Amino acid sequence: GAGVSQSPSNKVTEKGKDVELRCDPISGHTALYWYRQSLGQGLEFLIYFQGNSAPDKSGLPSDRFSAERTGGSVSTLTIQRTQQEDSAVYLCASTQGTPGRTEAFFGQGTRLTVV
Amino acid sequence: GNSVTQMEGPVTLSEEAFLTINCTYTATGYPSLFWYVQYPGEGLQLLLKATKADDKGSNKGFEATYRKETTSFHLEKGSVQVSDSAVYFCALSTSGGSYIPTFGRGTSLIVHP
Repeated sequence: GAGVSQSPSNKVTEKGKDVELRCDPISGHTALYWYRQSLGQGLEFLIYFQGNSAPDKSGLPSDRFSAERTGGSVSTLTIQRTQQEDSAVYLCASTQGTPGRTEAFFGQGTRLTVV
Repeated sequence: GNSVTQMEGPVTLSEEAFLTINCTYTATGYPSLFWYVQYPGEGLQLLLKATKADDKGSNKGFEATYRKETTSFHLEKGSVQVSDSAVYFCALSTSGGSYIPTFGRGTSLIVHP
């Protein structure tokens, strides 16, 4: 696609429910990242996928968070038993080329509100 | 590990004022440095980048120079406009070890007419 696409753009959910957030990276981009942006907290790294390698899950805040990437393209971030502190904007980014040297292309984000 | 520290905002300026947003970093390995901008209601987009020491990145009147000796990458613009009001993020990534881009907390810039 032309850019990184995320859906839904907004999600309001009740505490305790599960949510799934979707990211469609730019076609051909091998690396995909999920970040969380909380008010005044900057960007918090969550998980990183690179090609067919095992993902780097070191940023996931708890075992309620998981993510997968199917066919090296679309990724889904799942949050189980949501809590109010999960409320944030979840950003997806993808990169191509030499890892570490090229810019990241971001989606518009999913604003998650847990009530 | 890698980290990025940037000045806290908000930075409030009048139109045509000079802008500096400070950014310093620590990194294992040789990082590439980036400034991203997030306009209200939009996603992050790259503003400029530099991949080696003494390189100057520039775009839309903004500049930043990769200073290895001071581990800094300060963002500057000679004359800001109201349309520059946004949140600016300094970031780094390394081609060895972890490739994961590391971001600063962001600096909000508000430009008044």
